[in-house]
Amino acid sequence: EADIYQTPRYLVIGTGKKITLECSQTMGHDKMYWYQQDPGMELHLIHYSYGVNSTEKGDLSSESTVSRIRTEHFPLTLESARPSHTSQYLCASSEARGGRGNTIYFGEGSWLTVV
Amino acid sequence: GQQLNQSPQSMFIQEGEDVSMNCTSSSIFNTWLWYKQDPGEGPVLLIALYKAGELTSNGRLTAQFGITRKDSFLNISASIPSDVGIYFCAGSGNTPLVFGKGTRLSVIA
Repeated sequence: EADIYQTPRYLVIGTGKKITLECSQTMGHDKMYWYQQDPGMELHLIHYSYGVNSTEKGDLSSESTVSRIRTEHFPLTLESARPSHTSQYLCASSEARGGRGNTIYFGEGSWLTVV
Repeated sequence: GQQLNQSPQSMFIQEGEDVSMNCTSSSIFNTWLWYKQDPGEGPVLLIALYKAGELTSNGRLTAQFGITRKDSFLNISASIPSDVGIYFCAGSGNTPLVFGKGTRLSVIA
Protein backbone atom coordinates (compact mmCIF):
# COMPACT_ATOMS: atom_id res chain seq x y z
CA GLU A 1 0.00 0.00 0.00
CA ALA A 2 1.28 3.43 -0.93
CA ASP A 3 1.42 6.49 1.29
CA ILE A 4 1.24 9.34 -1.15
CA TYR A 5 -0.81 12.43 -0.47
CA GLN A 6 -2.09 15.15 -2.72
CA THR A 7 -3.63 18.49 -1.79
CA PRO A 8 -5.94 20.02 -2.63
CA ARG A 9 -8.24 17.25 -3.87
CA TYR A 10 -10.51 19.76 -5.60
CA LEU A 11 -9.77 23.31 -6.67
CA VAL A 12 -11.75 25.85 -8.67
CA ILE A 13 -9.83 29.00 -9.57
CA GLY A 14 -10.07 31.94 -11.91
CA THR A 15 -8.08 32.39 -15.08
CA GLY A 16 -4.67 33.94 -14.54
CA LYS A 17 -4.23 32.75 -10.97
CA LYS A 18 -1.10 30.98 -9.80
CA ILE A 19 -1.62 27.59 -8.23
CA THR A 20 0.54 24.94 -6.64
CA LEU A 21 -0.56 21.32 -6.31
CA GLU A 22 1.17 19.62 -3.41
CA CYS A 23 2.37 16.01 -3.38
CA SER A 24 4.13 14.20 -0.57
CA GLN A 25 5.12 10.59 -0.03
CA THR A 26 6.32 8.93 3.14
CA MET A 27 7.92 5.85 1.60
CA GLY A 28 11.32 7.36 0.88
CA HIS A 29 10.87 6.72 -2.84
CA ASP A 30 13.46 8.36 -5.05
CA LYS A 31 11.31 8.56 -8.18
CA MET A 32 8.25 10.80 -8.38
CA TYR A 33 5.90 11.62 -11.25
CA TRP A 34 3.06 13.89 -12.31
CA TYR A 35 0.42 12.64 -14.73
CA GLN A 36 -2.42 14.58 -16.31
CA GLN A 37 -5.68 12.81 -17.03
CA ASP A 38 -8.97 14.05 -18.43
CA PRO A 39 -12.03 12.19 -17.05
CA GLY A 40 -12.07 8.59 -18.20
CA MET A 41 -9.21 9.13 -20.58
CA GLU A 42 -5.62 7.96 -20.79
CA LEU A 43 -2.81 9.03 -18.49
CA HIS A 44 -0.19 11.44 -19.77
CA LEU A 45 3.19 11.84 -18.07
CA ILE A 46 4.00 15.55 -17.75
CA HIS A 47 6.92 15.61 -15.28
CA TYR A 48 9.15 13.19 -13.43
CA SER A 49 12.05 13.24 -11.01
CA TYR A 50 14.63 10.60 -10.17
CA GLY A 51 15.82 12.33 -7.03
CA VAL A 52 16.49 15.60 -5.28
CA ASN A 53 17.31 18.45 -7.68
CA SER A 54 16.41 16.24 -10.66
CA THR A 55 13.39 17.06 -12.83
CA GLU A 56 12.51 16.05 -16.38
CA LYS A 57 9.65 16.79 -18.74
CA GLY A 58 7.39 13.94 -19.70
CA ASP A 59 5.76 12.90 -22.94
CA LEU A 60 3.01 15.53 -22.85
CA SER A 61 4.07 19.13 -23.08
CA SER A 62 2.81 21.11 -20.10
CA GLU A 63 3.01 24.73 -19.05
CA SER A 64 3.40 23.63 -15.46
CA THR A 65 6.70 23.45 -13.60
CA VAL A 66 7.92 21.22 -10.80
CA SER A 67 10.63 21.22 -8.16
CA ARG A 68 12.27 18.53 -6.05
CA ILE A 69 14.06 20.08 -3.11
CA ARG A 70 13.23 17.27 -0.70
CA THR A 71 12.88 13.55 -1.42
CA GLU A 72 9.36 13.38 -0.05
CA HIS A 73 7.94 16.48 -1.73
CA PHE A 74 7.21 17.12 -5.44
CA PRO A 75 4.97 20.16 -5.96
CA LEU A 76 3.56 21.21 -9.34
CA THR A 77 3.00 24.88 -10.13
CA LEU A 78 1.00 26.71 -12.78
CA GLU A 79 2.04 30.37 -12.93
CA SER A 80 -1.05 31.52 -14.80
CA ALA A 81 -3.92 29.08 -14.98
CA ARG A 82 -6.14 28.85 -18.07
CA PRO A 83 -9.36 26.92 -18.77
CA SER A 84 -7.31 24.50 -20.91
CA HIS A 85 -5.53 23.44 -17.71
CA THR A 86 -8.77 22.00 -16.34
CA SER A 87 -8.01 18.34 -15.67
CA GLN A 88 -7.12 15.80 -13.03
CA TYR A 89 -3.48 15.80 -11.92
CA LEU A 90 -2.11 12.58 -10.45
CA CYS A 91 1.09 12.35 -8.44
CA ALA A 92 2.93 9.04 -8.17
CA SER A 93 6.13 7.59 -6.79
CA SER A 94 8.30 4.49 -7.10
CA GLU A 95 11.46 2.97 -5.70
CA ALA A 96 14.61 3.70 -7.65
CA ARG A 97 16.26 0.36 -7.32
CA GLY A 98 15.93 -2.96 -9.06
CA GLY A 99 13.24 -4.45 -11.27
CA ARG A 100 10.48 -3.05 -9.08
CA GLY A 101 11.71 0.48 -9.68
CA ASN A 102 9.05 1.04 -12.32
CA THR A 103 6.16 -0.04 -10.09
CA ILE A 104 4.49 3.25 -9.37
CA TYR A 105 1.91 4.09 -6.74
CA PHE A 106 -0.57 6.90 -7.24
CA GLY A 107 -2.09 9.51 -4.99
CA GLU A 108 -5.81 10.18 -5.07
CA GLY A 109 -5.46 13.02 -7.54
CA SER A 110 -6.13 16.74 -7.62
CA TRP A 111 -9.07 17.94 -9.68
CA LEU A 112 -8.40 21.39 -11.10
CA THR A 113 -11.10 23.51 -12.70
CA VAL A 114 -10.13 26.87 -14.17
CA VAL A 115 -13.02 29.22 -14.86
CA GLY B 1 8.01 6.05 -28.56
CA GLN B 2 6.72 2.84 -27.05
CA GLN B 3 3.03 2.16 -27.44
CA LEU B 4 0.64 -0.19 -25.75
CA ASN B 5 -2.50 -1.54 -27.35
CA GLN B 6 -5.09 -2.39 -24.74
CA SER B 7 -8.28 -4.22 -25.62
CA PRO B 8 -11.15 -4.20 -25.45
CA GLN B 9 -11.82 -0.49 -24.99
CA SER B 10 -15.03 -1.22 -23.10
CA MET B 11 -17.03 -4.17 -21.87
CA PHE B 12 -20.58 -4.64 -20.64
CA ILE B 13 -21.03 -7.91 -18.77
CA GLN B 14 -23.52 -9.61 -16.52
CA GLU B 15 -22.71 -10.04 -12.85
CA GLY B 16 -21.08 -13.42 -12.31
CA GLU B 17 -19.42 -13.56 -15.72
CA ASP B 18 -15.68 -13.84 -16.21
CA VAL B 19 -13.76 -11.00 -17.85
CA SER B 20 -10.59 -10.98 -19.88
CA MET B 21 -8.58 -8.05 -21.18
CA ASN B 22 -5.10 -7.78 -22.63
CA CYS B 23 -2.29 -5.50 -23.66
CA THR B 24 0.31 -5.85 -26.36
CA SER B 25 3.46 -3.87 -26.91
CA SER B 26 5.68 -3.15 -29.86
CA SER B 27 8.69 -3.45 -27.53
CA ILE B 28 9.98 -5.96 -25.01
CA PHE B 29 9.08 -5.07 -21.45
CA ASN B 30 10.65 -6.00 -18.11
CA THR B 31 7.63 -5.06 -16.05
CA TRP B 32 3.88 -5.36 -16.59
CA LEU B 33 1.44 -3.73 -14.19
CA TRP B 34 -2.34 -3.69 -13.95
CA TYR B 35 -4.27 -0.86 -12.26
CA LYS B 36 -7.93 -0.14 -11.55
CA GLN B 37 -9.31 3.37 -11.40
CA ASP B 38 -12.63 4.31 -9.85
CA PRO B 39 -14.28 7.59 -10.87
CA GLY B 40 -12.62 10.59 -9.26
CA GLU B 41 -9.80 8.55 -7.73
CA GLY B 42 -6.22 7.70 -8.59
CA PRO B 43 -5.33 4.33 -10.14
CA VAL B 44 -4.76 1.54 -7.64
CA LEU B 45 -2.19 -1.16 -8.32
CA LEU B 46 -3.82 -4.59 -8.68
CA ILE B 47 -1.04 -6.88 -9.86
CA ALA B 48 2.64 -6.42 -10.68
CA LEU B 49 4.56 -8.84 -12.94
CA TYR B 50 8.34 -8.84 -13.22
CA LYS B 51 9.23 -12.07 -15.03
CA ALA B 52 8.32 -13.53 -18.40
CA GLY B 53 5.76 -16.31 -17.98
CA GLU B 54 4.85 -15.17 -14.47
CA LEU B 55 1.24 -15.86 -13.49
CA THR B 56 -0.01 -14.01 -10.42
CA SER B 57 -3.36 -13.92 -8.66
CA ASN B 58 -4.94 -11.38 -6.36
CA GLY B 59 -8.28 -12.73 -5.16
CA ARG B 60 -10.53 -13.09 -8.21
CA LEU B 61 -7.94 -11.41 -10.43
CA THR B 62 -5.26 -13.25 -12.36
CA ALA B 63 -2.64 -11.70 -14.62
CA GLN B 64 0.14 -13.14 -16.73
CA PHE B 65 3.38 -11.76 -18.17
CA GLY B 66 3.58 -13.13 -21.71
CA ILE B 67 6.59 -15.29 -22.57
CA THR B 68 7.43 -13.05 -25.53
CA ARG B 69 7.58 -10.14 -23.02
CA LYS B 70 5.40 -8.14 -25.39
CA ASP B 71 2.00 -8.89 -23.91
CA SER B 72 0.02 -9.41 -20.73
CA PHE B 73 -3.53 -10.31 -19.85
CA LEU B 74 -5.81 -9.75 -16.87
CA ASN B 75 -8.70 -12.04 -16.00
CA ILE B 76 -11.46 -11.32 -13.50
CA SER B 77 -13.54 -14.29 -12.42
CA ALA B 78 -17.15 -14.14 -11.24
CA SER B 79 -17.52 -10.37 -11.67
CA ILE B 80 -19.40 -8.33 -9.09
CA PRO B 81 -20.80 -4.77 -9.29
CA SER B 82 -17.79 -3.24 -7.51
CA ASP B 83 -15.54 -4.43 -10.35
CA VAL B 84 -16.90 -1.50 -12.37
CA GLY B 85 -14.17 0.95 -13.33
CA ILE B 86 -11.36 1.54 -15.75
CA TYR B 87 -8.54 -0.98 -15.89
CA PHE B 88 -5.17 0.18 -17.15
CA CYS B 89 -2.20 -1.92 -18.16
CA ALA B 90 1.26 -0.42 -17.95
CA GLY B 91 4.66 -1.66 -18.94
CA SER B 92 8.26 -0.62 -19.07
CA GLY B 93 11.59 -1.70 -20.47
CA ASN B 94 14.38 0.71 -19.74
CA THR B 95 12.20 3.79 -19.99
CA PRO B 96 9.46 5.34 -17.81
CA LEU B 97 6.24 3.41 -17.56
CA VAL B 98 3.91 3.43 -20.58
CA PHE B 99 0.16 3.13 -20.03
CA GLY B 100 -2.55 1.59 -22.18
CA LYS B 101 -5.67 3.63 -22.91
CA GLY B 102 -7.78 1.61 -20.51
CA THR B 103 -10.63 -0.89 -20.57
CA ARG B 104 -13.92 0.46 -19.22
CA LEU B 105 -15.80 -2.29 -17.44
CA SER B 106 -19.52 -2.10 -16.71
CA VAL B 107 -21.23 -4.83 -14.74
CA ILE B 108 -24.97 -5.35 -15.06
CA ALA B 109 -26.56 -6.81 -11.96
